[in-house]
Amino acid sequence: EVHLVQSGAEVKKPGESLKISCKSSGYRFTDYWIGWVRQMPGQGLEWMGIIYPGDSETRYSPSFQGQVNISADKSISTAYLQWSSLKASDTAMYYCARGVTTKDYWGQGTLVTVSS
Amino acid sequence: QSALTQPRSVSGSPGQSVTISCTGTTSDVGAYIYVSWFQQYPAKAPKLIIYDVSERPSGVPDRFSGSKSGNTASLTISGLQAEDEADYYCCSYAGIQGVFGTGTKVTVL
Repeated sequence: EVHLVQSGAEVKKPGESLKISCKSSGYRFTDYWIGWVRQMPGQGLEWMGIIYPGDSETRYSPSFQGQVNISADKSISTAYLQWSSLKASDTAMYYCARGVTTKDYWGQGTLVTVSS
Repeated sequence: QSALTQPRSVSGSPGQSVTISCTGTTSDVGAYIYVSWFQQYPAKAPKLIIYDVSERPSGVPDRFSGSKSGNTASLTISGLQAEDEADYYCCSYAGIQGVFGTGTKVTVL
């Protein structure tokens, strides 16, 4: 059975760095794209970017290019979403999900709160 | 890449049918068969209910159906049930990246 398990909620200050994770199980991690979706409080879903762990090819939405970094460690079947300098506007729920648009399995979400 | 356009809300009585539109451009919805639909309950992760325009994953009731014409995709819920009250999002491939719709709240009257 496929499972995506995300790391826990985070509370950070503006300017701090952060890396959240998404551990996959139940399928061959290197055979599927996996990506991240943002949902700001009370708002809709936003497609952030994806990575293909087989060769580490990464694609970003123009809105998120240069703002975040997506990576993966295929030795532990885990994808990551990273910020080097958080802003208050990064406060949101972040979901990982398998696939480019056919996102058939989702993580439970990681709530990131950025506040001074 | 702009978000795909969905109506903010639709409503219907139990047993009725409702249709949600998802309008894009010739660069996304109009160009590819890779249009998916997701159902999201409050404080829950989204769930895939339609992929590749009209395919249903195993376990999704057949009252959910999808279609596409030109730059507009549609999700129809037939025989509306109380449990269908949720937010619905479309998502399309847009060459290299994906893009979600603005989301539609379905209310069961």
